[in-house]
Amino acid sequence: KQEVTQIPAALSVPEGENLVLNCSFTDSAIYNLQWFRQDPGKGLTSLLLIQSSQREQTSGRLNASLDKSSGRSTLYIAASQPGDSATYLCAVRRHNTDKLIFGTGTRLQVFP
Amino acid sequence: KAGVTQTPRYLIKTRGQQVTLSCSPISGHRSVSWYQQTPGQGLQFLFEYFSETQRNKGNFPGRFSGRQFSNSRSEMNVSTLELGDSALYLCASSLGGAAVNTEAFFGQGTRLTVV
Repeated sequence: KQEVTQIPAALSVPEGENLVLNCSFTDSAIYNLQWFRQDPGKGLTSLLLIQSSQREQTSGRLNASLDKSSGRSTLYIAASQPGDSATYLCAVRRHNTDKLIFGTGTRLQVFP
Repeated sequence: KAGVTQTPRYLIKTRGQQVTLSCSPISGHRSVSWYQQTPGQGLQFLFEYFSETQRNKGNFPGRFSGRQFSNSRSEMNVSTLELGDSALYLCASSLGGAAVNTEAFFGQGTRLTVV
């Protein structure tokens, strides 16, 4: 059974720091991995999608890497801003399904 | 291009009642999935629909049901509501099928409170 874990559970940093959020999954037979952010009481916003054949994806200040064989993904946030404060979730998908299995989330607070 | 639309945004129901939630996916998307989010359990998968067929179902009691229409819009129904059904219900839309880049896009959710 696939289990997805995110470390740390919570993070509080001053503005301007570079951050690394971690996501681990137990079954390496994934089709792709997606990172989301969620603001309190809101839906999920897709940040990055990495196919299983890819090693990384970049969007602006965000960079996500994937090491399928070791069951790990990292989300790197450069030059963090207060607007980055949110909960970050990773989710994996197997082949032939759109079902996502979510991690436990990392709650990020960036203070001025 | 319109995003994923969920209605209603908020609901308050009494124990024992039933409720229907609606999700309109992004135009052209044929896959719709539903998730329940609670503080204690996180995001839990409910159902997945593709072209009006349920492809997967999560580990929820039979009180939870869903369906998808020919225009890809989906509804989920919860009967005999319990206090523990209070949650944020999220709908995800994706192209589905054999599309390689099956990125999921979520709606804003329906906040259900059972009293």
